[in-house]
Amino acid sequence: EDKVVQSPLSLVVHEGDTVTLNCSYEVTNFRSLLWYKQEKKAPTFLFMLTSSGIEKKSGRLSSILDKKELSSILNITATQTGDSAIYLCAVEAGSGGSNYKLTFGKGTLLTVNP
Amino acid sequence: DAGITQSPRHKVTETGTPVTLRCHQTENHRYMYWYRQDPGHGLRLIHYSYGVKDTDKGEVSDGYSVSRSKTEDFLLTLESATSSQTSVYFCAISPNLEKLFFGSGTQLSVL
Repeated sequence: EDKVVQSPLSLVVHEGDTVTLNCSYEVTNFRSLLWYKQEKKAPTFLFMLTSSGIEKKSGRLSSILDKKELSSILNITATQTGDSAIYLCAVEAGSGGSNYKLTFGKGTLLTVNP
Repeated sequence: DAGITQSPRHKVTETGTPVTLRCHQTENHRYMYWYRQDPGHGLRLIHYSYGVKDTDKGEVSDGYSVSRSKTEDFLLTLESATSSQTSVYFCAISPNLEKLFFGSGTQLSVL
């Protein structure tokens, strides 16, 4: 059974702090790792990391995939109250064809206080 | 949310009644998914579809069935709703098995 574990489960910081969210996985036939941000409703896509693209950056957010350690981190620098959300990590894996599926971690609830 | 519509947005029903949730897409994506999201569990896959009339089970499929008779519609049915199926249900679509695009969710309460 594929597993994705995120830590911490929740985190409270002050505006301007830098945070690091963790995601580790145990899956068969890894294909990609994705990060999503969920504010009030639907999760929205942030990054996708694969064997050929292990580091992504967008503004204050960046993510790295460590294939050796089977993990990824999501960094947010100079946090703002608008960064408050649940951050979801998902791993795509499968045996090929139409068997690829996403397995989600439980998420990290980030609260940024002014 | 663009291109994905879930209906209803909210539903309250009684134990033992059948319930059908609908997911409609205008993106013509091949892959469609139903997830449920519960506190402490995150998003869990119920069923998914890789084409018209092609569906498969996810990790929490017991008590649920799905149908996809057209590319744009993916229906999730609870044959006999139970209180444990109270949850937020998300539909998602994908063109290529990679990143998913989620609908706005359906809040289902089974009393």
